[in-house]
Amino acid sequence: QQQVKQSPQSLIVQKGGISIINCAYENTAFDYFPWYQQFPGKGPALLIAIRPDVSEKKEGRFTISFNKSAKQFSLHIMDSQPGDSATYFCAARDNYGQNFVFGPGTRLSVLP
Amino acid sequence: NAGVTQTPKFQVLKTGQSMTLQCAQDMNHNSMYWYRQDPGMGLRLIYYSASEGTTDKGEVPNGYNVSRLNKREFSLRLESAAPSQTSVYFCASSKTANTEAFFGQGTRLTVV
Repeated sequence: QQQVKQSPQSLIVQKGGISIINCAYENTAFDYFPWYQQFPGKGPALLIAIRPDVSEKKEGRFTISFNKSAKQFSLHIMDSQPGDSATYFCAARDNYGQNFVFGPGTRLSVLP
Repeated sequence: NAGVTQTPKFQVLKTGQSMTLQCAQDMNHNSMYWYRQDPGMGLRLIYYSASEGTTDKGEVPNGYNVSRLNKREFSLRLESAAPSQTSVYFCASSKTANTEAFFGQGTRLTVV
């Protein structure tokens, strides 16, 4: 059974702080790991993605760290802002399957 | 640029009624997906279509049917709605099976 575990379930961070969300997987065939951001009443939107041939990818304030041997990856949001308050989903896809497997989501609240 | 368009946005059904959720994408994507989103469970795949003319079951297909009408359109049908199908439904598309998915705005369905 393909599965992606995600923690924490919810996260409260002060403005300017660092938000960290962790994900873990078991299927070694996964080779694409996107993160999605979802605001209330909206569909998920791709935030940043990584492939396992690199250990880190940074786009602005968002960084994915990837540990292939541990089968873990994480999202770091630097200088968190109230506008970052949303639900974040990690996901994974393999070359054999035809779909993404999503984590259960993390609800992030950034306090002003 | 519409992206992925879902209709309707909201729907209330009585138990046993049927309905079809419509989805269309204008990005010339080959793959399309239907997910349902329930609190604390992330997004779970109902059905997907890797390319025009093909459909396959996902993680939670029971009680649903799909039709890939053409490359642009992928519909989801509930033949006999049940309260357990109360959820938010998202359609998504991707260029290929291994590229990022773009999501629609969702359909909030309540079955009473």
